[in-house]
Amino acid sequence: QVQLVESGGGVVQPGRSLRLSCAAPGIILRNYGMHWVRQAPGKGLEWVAVISDDGTKKYYGDSVKGRFTISRDNSKNTLHLQMNSLRADDTAVYFCAKGHCLNSNCDFGMDVWGKGTIVTVSS
Amino acid sequence: SYELTQPPSVSVSPGQTATITCSGDPLPNQFAYWYQLRAGQAPILVIYKDTERPSGIPERFSGSSSVTTVTLTITGVQAEDEADYYCQTTDISGTYWVFGGGTKLTVL
Repeated sequence: QVQLVESGGGVVQPGRSLRLSCAAPGIILRNYGMHWVRQAPGKGLEWVAVISDDGTKKYYGDSVKGRFTISRDNSKNTLHLQMNSLRADDTAVYFCAKGHCLNSNCDFGMDVWGKGTIVTVSS
Repeated sequence: SYELTQPPSVSVSPGQTATITCSGDPLPNQFAYWYQLRAGQAPILVIYKDTERPSGIPERFSGSSSVTTVTLTITGVQAEDEADYYCQTTDISGTYWVFGGGTKLTVL
């Protein structure tokens, strides 16, 4: 089954920055909107950000707006999440996910995910 | 922002039917999506646009909707269906995604 591969997680001090990446072996990402979703320890899924297929539109969850930036490099088939001013409550598993499209009709679902990368914000 | 409400847990015996509900204000105007999440694994889309099943998802998974509530039904539950299930939708503008709090399905 096709999956995305996240990387870049780790342990970081509060206030510092981290950049996550998402690779997509076997998928041409430029055709799809892409998301970041996270799951804090013991909590549910939380939507973080989305970027349109061409990178011109970006939207963010309330808890990360102004601190996180989603971007993509379609020439390298990769997705990124730049996380600045990290806080303890940003500690989570971060998943990247591909927007769901069927026969060029796209909806608001996410049909291919990675297994996530762990980000721990701690002093 | 919006909220989607799910029951924290549902328990059924193998072969029985599990129903997981999701309620919230955006649902009359926006489609809902359902995901299965097992620990350490990638989430799986099991239902999209309220009632549609992606290819590869067993027929025992189905979805329905009624005004402000959508429902995931698993008919003839199997042990492998034990997982957390999340509903998801967007706001009316389609620029803000929201997940329900998740439901832990236990197969007794």
